[in-house]
Amino acid sequence: SQQGEEDPQALSIQEGENATMNCSYKTSINNLQWYRQNSGRGLVHLILIRSNEREKHSGRLRVTLDTSKKSSSLLITASRAADTASYFCATRESGGGADGLTFGKGTHLIIQP
Amino acid sequence: EAGVTQSPTHLIKTRGQQATLRCSPISGHTSVYWYQQALGLGLQFLLWYDEGEERNRGNFPPRFSGRQFPNYSSELNVNALELEDSALYLCASSRLAEGTAALHFGNGTRLTVT
Repeated sequence: SQQGEEDPQALSIQEGENATMNCSYKTSINNLQWYRQNSGRGLVHLILIRSNEREKHSGRLRVTLDTSKKSSSLLITASRAADTASYFCATRESGGGADGLTFGKGTHLIIQP
Repeated sequence: EAGVTQSPTHLIKTRGQQATLRCSPISGHTSVYWYQQALGLGLQFLLWYDEGEERNRGNFPPRFSGRQFPNYSSELNVNALELEDSALYLCASSRLAEGTAALHFGNGTRLTVT
């Protein structure tokens, strides 16, 4: 079953603008991770935020986590054409992790040059 | 450091046949995960191996099976192929069996069942 649900399903913006994607999940988590997938390729890990963290930065990426609302957001600032990809959130449930990471269906981001 | 490698990149099979997909993890990684990515369904967890043992499996029928070898490489076998098994099969590895490690993915095997 899907734990994370990304929103929106698709997003198209102009190069240079900021892109924001959201993820909601259902159960208590150990950590939440964001991945990027270019068309037909494997996923690339972007950033991991632990359940006791509220915000994390990595380059042009900013991730927030609100455990009370069971939600996370990924912000990509100053977008580039190369950022065009699908973005997935993935969660690891607390107290186990035996199910592997549970992925959402992704947000497809298109950056218009 | 070499990444996760999967073979073959593409595989075309007929319904009822068997398929074998292979994965080599990053050196030093003991955990291997298999995911199925069918169109419109996101990534579905299939199997998790660590130190040669199957640690858990997702909600898939028994005709999906696999194993992990002493060198930590892994095989995914799909028996009695059905049309709906057509998907991108992704393998990932991690250094730790616990939940704090990021997964490193290969580029997948595209399985087409006709």
